[in-house]
Amino acid sequence: NAGVTQTPKFRVLKTGQSMTLLCAQDMNHEYMYWYRQDPGMGLRLIHYSVGEGTTAKGEVPDGYNVSRLKKQNFLLGLESAAPSQTSVYFCASTFRTENGYTFGSGTRLTVV
Amino acid sequence: KNQVEQSPQSLIILEGKNCTLQCNYTVSPFSNLRWYKQDTGRGPVSLTIMTFSENTKSNGRYTATLDADTKQSSLHITASQLSDSASYICVVSPGDYKLSFGAGTTVTVRA
Repeated sequence: NAGVTQTPKFRVLKTGQSMTLLCAQDMNHEYMYWYRQDPGMGLRLIHYSVGEGTTAKGEVPDGYNVSRLKKQNFLLGLESAAPSQTSVYFCASTFRTENGYTFGSGTRLTVV
Repeated sequence: KNQVEQSPQSLIILEGKNCTLQCNYTVSPFSNLRWYKQDTGRGPVSLTIMTFSENTKSNGRYTATLDADTKQSSLHITASQLSDSASYICVVSPGDYKLSFGAGTTVTVRA
């Protein structure tokens, strides 16, 4: 049982480049989330999904897009990376919002 | 704006000693409060979840308390071990997806 798997684990992008972060969960969870974690700050919600085929904006959605074509996968896209998007990105999932979340191990992204 | 404030920002303790971390919040409405442990380079892992009616919950050597009236919580680590070195994050939920995360307290346990 792998839980939540994020790929890649590390990435360096040049300003203006695009990339997609993949999150996969094998727990049949309905809810999936993308967060970013910056030094000295709490995790901030970028986008979330309440089920297959649904997505919604979180607290800091600008510059990001997401898709949830399959229940087990939640993709986060950066169309034109900016240095302000340098961060550690975490995916999380849960069966019910009142339950604890299962987090992936993170993707460390640097935009130069 | 809903906020979660944690203190101290960091602390160093000797192996075998106890410590207590604090969390104050202004989130409303309130559904539950969670404590997570985050090892360096890893994602957060859930330690405890407490609802409004619960004022204490334990998970091994970790004991969380909640005072919903004063909107305060604490996490007590008993007989610390080197493996307790991590960041501890307080998270407050209003009952939907809008979790509010604290910035965390970094605990360093030294032999």
